[in-house]
Amino acid sequence: EAGVVQSPRYKIIEKKQPVAFWCNPISGHNTLYWYLQNLGQGPELLIRYENEEAVDDSQLPKDRFSAERLKGVDSTLKIQPAELGDSAVYLCASSPGWESGTDTQYFGPGTRLTVL
Amino acid sequence: GEDVEQSLFLSVREGDSSVINCTYTDSSSTYLYWYKQEPGAGLQLLTYIFSNMDMKQDQRLTVLLNKKDKHLSLRIADTQTGDSAIYFCAELRSSNTGKLIFGQGTTLQVKP
Repeated sequence: EAGVVQSPRYKIIEKKQPVAFWCNPISGHNTLYWYLQNLGQGPELLIRYENEEAVDDSQLPKDRFSAERLKGVDSTLKIQPAELGDSAVYLCASSPGWESGTDTQYFGPGTRLTVL
Repeated sequence: GEDVEQSLFLSVREGDSSVINCTYTDSSSTYLYWYKQEPGAGLQLLTYIFSNMDMKQDQRLTVLLNKKDKHLSLRIADTQTGDSAIYFCAELRSSNTGKLIFGQGTTLQVKP
């Protein structure tokens, strides 16, 4: 079974430019998460989707960050404009839902963003 | 506070046992997880434990949960150089939110 797929793996941009990250969850997983991981820290949740609905976006900085999951499968996370402090790893995760028993979250490899 | 706390660094010799500790804060947490992160990679799920259990063993991994003290530990038996990585514990605050709270990670260094 394929895991969570993310692209690109690395992205270098100049500040004030826009950037987008893409995530394809594990097949059949209805819940999708975007996390931010700063250097030397654990991941922090940005947004959680149940199918196409964002059910928790309380930690998403909405002035510059946006996300969508239009058909309830793939998702994109966008930053516009990027700032120096946005340099981090952006992780996507998916989970199957409590019907499976545990709703364990499985992570993709992440996109490492560097803002110059 | 909301923090999940872990010691930052652990160094062991190959073949020894490693014990990584974690304290969490929410007594209503339902599941607790251990993830492994190798350089440049995402988080790999190692194991998890339900809050009504006090121990879970999975091959070389043993998880101990002391719910009274909100203390979680991961023991790796016969530690190998390939176990060198950062280990994160995480608590699921409430099963209906799906919100995982992570510690800052423990870097495990295994010396040959």
